[in-house]
Amino acid sequence: KQEVTQIPAALSVPEGENLVLNCSFTDSAIYNLQWFRQDPGKGLTSLLLIQSSQREQTSGRLNASLDKSSGRSTLYIAASQPGDSATYLCAVRGGSEKLVFGKGTKLTVNP
Amino acid sequence: DTAVSQTPKYLVTQMGNDKSIKCEQNLGHDTMYWYKQDSKKFLKIMFSYNNKELIINETVPNRFSPKSPDKAHLNLHINSLELGDSAVYFCASSQVTSGEQYFGPGTRLTVT
Repeated sequence: KQEVTQIPAALSVPEGENLVLNCSFTDSAIYNLQWFRQDPGKGLTSLLLIQSSQREQTSGRLNASLDKSSGRSTLYIAASQPGDSATYLCAVRGGSEKLVFGKGTKLTVNP
Repeated sequence: DTAVSQTPKYLVTQMGNDKSIKCEQNLGHDTMYWYKQDSKKFLKIMFSYNNKELIINETVPNRFSPKSPDKAHLNLHINSLELGDSAVYFCASSQVTSGEQYFGPGTRLTVT
């Protein structure tokens, strides 16, 4: 059974700092991995999708890496801004269609 | 131009009632999902439909019945609501081949 863990559960940083969010999964036989952000009381916004054959994906200030063999992914956020404050969720997809989610990292960027 | 929409956004009802949540996607995707986010914010899949056929049915009480009238719609009907059903329910969709999932805004269900 796939389990996804995200560390840390919460993170508070000053504006401008570069930061890394971590995600680990127990079964390396994944199809892809997706990073989302969730703002309070809102739905999920897809940030990046990494296919199992890829090592990283970039979108603006965000860079996600995937090391399937070790069961790890990181989300790097450069030059953080207060608008980046949200909960970041990592989810992996195995052979079935379902995503298995971690519990998220709550990020606060202080002005 | 909303990609995945859900109605209603909020639903407050009493125990024992029956209620439905509707979901529509205009992305042309083949697969749709229902997820439940509990009070601890943990998201878990409930159901998945591909081309109107049920393909994932997690361990969910049979009081929950999804219905997909066409590829663009996946509704969730809940019978005999219980206090423990209070949660946020998210609909999502994806193309099978890419797998990237797009989520709706959620429906916050409160059972009193």
